[in-house]
Amino acid sequence: DAGVIQSPRHEVTEMGQEVTLRCKPISGHDYLFWYRQTMMRGLELLIYFNNNVPIDDSGMPEDRFSAKMPNASFSTLKIQPSEPRDSAVYFCASSLAVQGVGYTFGSGTRLTVV
Amino acid sequence: DQQVKQNSPSLSVQEGRISILNCDYTNSMFDYFLWYKKYPAEGPTFLISISSIKDKNEDGRFTVFLNKSAKHLSLHIVPSQPGDSAVYFCAAIDNNAGNMLTFGGGTRLRVKP
Repeated sequence: DAGVIQSPRHEVTEMGQEVTLRCKPISGHDYLFWYRQTMMRGLELLIYFNNNVPIDDSGMPEDRFSAKMPNASFSTLKIQPSEPRDSAVYFCASSLAVQGVGYTFGSGTRLTVV
Repeated sequence: DQQVKQNSPSLSVQEGRISILNCDYTNSMFDYFLWYKKYPAEGPTFLISISSIKDKNEDGRFTVFLNKSAKHLSLHIVPSQPGDSAVYFCAAIDNNAGNMLTFGGGTRLRVKP
């Protein structure tokens, strides 16, 4: 298995532009999570899905952020419009619906908004 | 309101010595705890875990201790090696509330040769 695949690895965009981050979870995993890593807040959960359905999006910072999971093998995190304070590393992770089993993370997307 | 806290943002240890990384939590419903390791430009990877019914779990050079009354856990690495230099995240889960991990802010460990 190739693991959790995220694209792009790096994204540099201008303030106000739309940014779309992509994630392919591990086949068979029921849960998908989007995390953001910053120096100030560490790893913070933005949103997670169970069987493609959004369960908890309370971590999404603002309406500018949206996430979708149209099928079991693909998810997107969109920021529109982007702002410099959105600059961070965004991680996608997936896991099985087995209690206590940890997540498998992708390599992350480093987003820089200038 | 951070439910999982790692109060030391960084730690420096000499190679061969013990590294002790600490983590505190506030939610008494957490029943499973994990440590993740993260190298630069990579995603976090699972390192070791412990159930709340135990107070110690050991895997090679890595041992996790859990003190439920103090709501505190620690990761011991002995002996420390330069390859252990990374950011370590403590995480906790309430298995009765779904499959969602709550992470601490991380501790950057540097093992000096």
